[in-house]
Amino acid sequence: EIVLTQSPGTLSLSPGERATLSCRASQSVSSSYLAWYQQKPGQAPRLLIYGASSRATGIPDRFSGSGSGTDFTLTISRLEPEDFAVYYCQQYGSSPVVTFGPGTKVDIK
Amino acid sequence: EVQLVESGGVVVQPGGSLRLSCAASGFTFDDYAMHWVRQAPGKGLEWVSLISWDGGSTYYADSVKGRFTISRDNSKNSLYLQMNSLRAEDTALYYCAKGTVDTAMVTPGYFDYWGQGTLVTVSS
Repeated sequence: EIVLTQSPGTLSLSPGERATLSCRASQSVSSSYLAWYQQKPGQAPRLLIYGASSRATGIPDRFSGSGSGTDFTLTISRLEPEDFAVYYCQQYGSSPVVTFGPGTKVDIK
Repeated sequence: EVQLVESGGVVVQPGGSLRLSCAASGFTFDDYAMHWVRQAPGKGLEWVSLISWDGGSTYYADSVKGRFTISRDNSKNSLYLQMNSLRAEDTALYYCAKGTVDTAMVTPGYFDYWGQGTLVTVSS
């Protein structure tokens, strides 16, 4: 089973700043089958990125994903107030098992 | 508009059973695999189970294998999770999630739509 590690656990930033979130896999993720989700308190997760770098429908272009193999990054170019949330990565390259990372909380500094 | 509405979550005693349901609308239900994902209070996301578009293939996380059964009724656009031998550690918000592939032959896919979840509490 592929284990995902996310860092940092918490990222404290101010609106307007750039956020860089890391997701590292214990082994190579096949075909860059890596997704990112955003979750706000009391809400279901929302898909942001799939295929490591493709934005989901309706996701602003300040969100971008990159990486391959075992190292992946979610970047938020300029934080808006609504971006403060928990972010999870998920791999789907090791069928049929799906695994999630433990999450990174982005909070207001 | 895609909608996933879960129901069936209640307080149940350890060792008990429960059946969760998910009503789907806004997409061609039998074109896609479906999943259950859970989230314990204050914790992260844990994938629970996957069922292929036709119900012919099912997969489970090791933590629930042998105790939970996923099923679907395509005529009713509905997904189910039968939960037996419940434990305290099964306490969680259970989400129904739409997959992006029809089977898990190559990849289980990611989740493009989620319900709002139904809360299962296992406690005496």
